[in-house]
Amino acid sequence: GAVVSQHPSRVICKSGTSVKIECRSLDFQATTMFWYRQFPKQSLMLMATSNEGSKATYEQGVEKDKFLINHASLTLSTLTVTSAHPEDSSFYICSASYGRANNSPLHFGNGTRLTVT
Amino acid sequence: AQTVTQSQPEMSVQEAETVTLSCTYDTSENNYYLFWYKQPPSRQMILVIRQEAYKQQNATENRFSVNFQKAAKSFSLKISDSQLGDTAMYFCAFMKLRYTPLVFGKGTRLSVIA
Repeated sequence: GAVVSQHPSRVICKSGTSVKIECRSLDFQATTMFWYRQFPKQSLMLMATSNEGSKATYEQGVEKDKFLINHASLTLSTLTVTSAHPEDSSFYICSASYGRANNSPLHFGNGTRLTVT
Repeated sequence: AQTVTQSQPEMSVQEAETVTLSCTYDTSENNYYLFWYKQPPSRQMILVIRQEAYKQQNATENRFSVNFQKAAKSFSLKISDSQLGDTAMYFCAFMKLRYTPLVFGKGTRLSVIA
């Protein structure tokens, strides 16, 4: 079954508003979560690394003031797209490392399709 | 920085046949992990198979197997007895250490034809 839950799965918002996306680890603690963005027919691009109890680490070119990440607990990370614009429309997907083994892969949420009108 | 290259944007295979998807990567690390993920139209990311760099034996998961050539930095995926449900985007991914992010290739769109 799913080990990472992401909500909402789909959201439509008006330009200028903010949207919050939640990513929860189910039945395990995730000290580190990752947020990716995927444009149509393209690969997943890492946006930021979310660390519980500390500031997120953003990839080059990602505006930290536009994409606010909060990881206040060991099971929840949130991504807030502030003052959204149509160019922010995309598929956002979170992931967390599940398992104790060193080769534990990342498990992904089901993603959020954001449409800004 | 690590890079992952998938040189086949699209591939097709007849049902029940075998297909191989290519992946090469570049890294200066000696220990790392490689993965193949499947993304069907639902866009859910599904782990297909994983390989540890320190293991010489190629990983196998039912109809899926890899050909891992560490010296050549190659990590191809072989799908045997292809099924219609295998139709999806396939991403090759590199992970340096646990708790570090995955680096993805651009993906290969596989179509299984009846």
